[in-house]
Formats: sequence, structure tokens, C-alpha cells
Amino acid sequence: GAVVSQHPSWVICKSGTSVKIECRSLDFQATTMFWYRQFPKQSLMLMATSNEGSKATYEQGVEKDKFLINHASLTLSTLTVTSAHPEDSSFYICSARDLGLAGRYGYTFGSGTRLTVV
Amino acid sequence: DAKTTQPNSMESNEEEPVHLPCNHSTISGTDYIHWYRQLPSQGPEYVIHGLTSNVNNRMASLAIAEDRKSSTLILHRATLRDAAVYYCILRDVPNFGNEKLTFGTGTRLTIIP
Repeated sequence: GAVVSQHPSWVICKSGTSVKIECRSLDFQATTMFWYRQFPKQSLMLMATSNEGSKATYEQGVEKDKFLINHASLTLSTLTVTSAHPEDSSFYICSARDLGLAGRYGYTFGSGTRLTVV
Repeated sequence: DAKTTQPNSMESNEEEPVHLPCNHSTISGTDYIHWYRQLPSQGPEYVIHGLTSNVNNRMASLAIAEDRKSSTLILHRATLRDAAVYYCILRDVPNFGNEKLTFGTGTRLTIIP
């Protein structure tokens, strides 16, 4: 079935540094990928929509200069959290739309990245 | 955006059927109804989706009301591995063409051994 690989699964970084999270579609091409953030005991909040070869579309209230998204190929999107601070600590999840085995318009999610900023 | 309403939590005994309800009274004619579930510390997992007719797959069944204002996810025989947060989501396709899935609060399903 459709697989989305997300790395790293967890990362601890110092305040002020930047962290890059990778999201790969392993067996299908994803022209569109999505990035979500989830705080403890809360639902997923969509941060941005990543389109291959073009600029990402950010949801209201999400700082595009802080959360840099690059979608340079049909199988890879990256999210870079720049100048991370403790309030950026969260569970980050990517998703890609799969027109194949998950059914028409099905979405496949990565396993998530737990970011802790100390 | 069309919204969904689900109970915050539900409990069910192991090996019994589970019916998870979802209300979506503002659904539009072209919105698909998606169900995903999220196990602890994992990304969501696709369960099932439908438009108008009831749907079955190896994981679950989806019963959609005739007026499409509500739906029910049915787990025919719950196991401990089915304990998760279940999200009922409407596939949103705004006019400018950006598709996205917007998550509500979901239903936390607890399975009692």
C-alpha cells in the first residue's frame, strides 16, 4: 500500500537552532503534501499545503518565515523549523494524497516527528 | 468549511461491535466523508471513506444517512488494537483548488478487555 516515510521520528534541539523534517512518499508520486502540528491531547492542526515546484500555502496564523517548506520533487517535502523555541515543541505530521490503493482521494500520513526544544 | 461533530469519547467491550457517530449537517453535495484513526504517538491511518452509499472494507463499514447529514463508522468486532482516536472528516475542496483535510476533535475509543 501507499507509504509515507517521515524522518526523524523524534528530535531534541537547543533553543535558537533549526530543525529539518523530511517527508517522502515511497511508492507513489505526491504533487501535494500537507504538514500538520499536534499538541498533547489536541487534534491535528493543518499548518501548510506543500505543492511540488511552487510555494507552499500556509494556514492563517502560521509564520511562513519560521516554518520553511520545500517540495522540490514529487516524492519529497521538507519542513524546517527555524530558530526553534520551546513553544515549538510539538508532534509534526506530514501527509500526502494517494490516488491509488487508499482509494480515490485517500490520504496517507507519515508516522510523525516529536520535536522537543530545550 | 463544513464541520463535523463527534462524541469526545466512547467505550466498548472487546469483541463487540462499535458504532461511532458523526454529524455533518452542513455537508455540501460534493464533500466526501473520510474516517481516519490515530493510535498513540503515531500519524493518522486511513480507515474508510464514502460519498452517498454505504461502504465496506476489511477494517470497517461506513453507514451514511440518506440526507448525508450524519454517518456512522462501524467496527464489527472491536479488539484492543482498535483503541485510538477516530476522526470523521469532510474532504474540503475550496474554489481555488487546494484540497485539504481538516481535523476535528475526534472520538477517543477505549476498548475494555
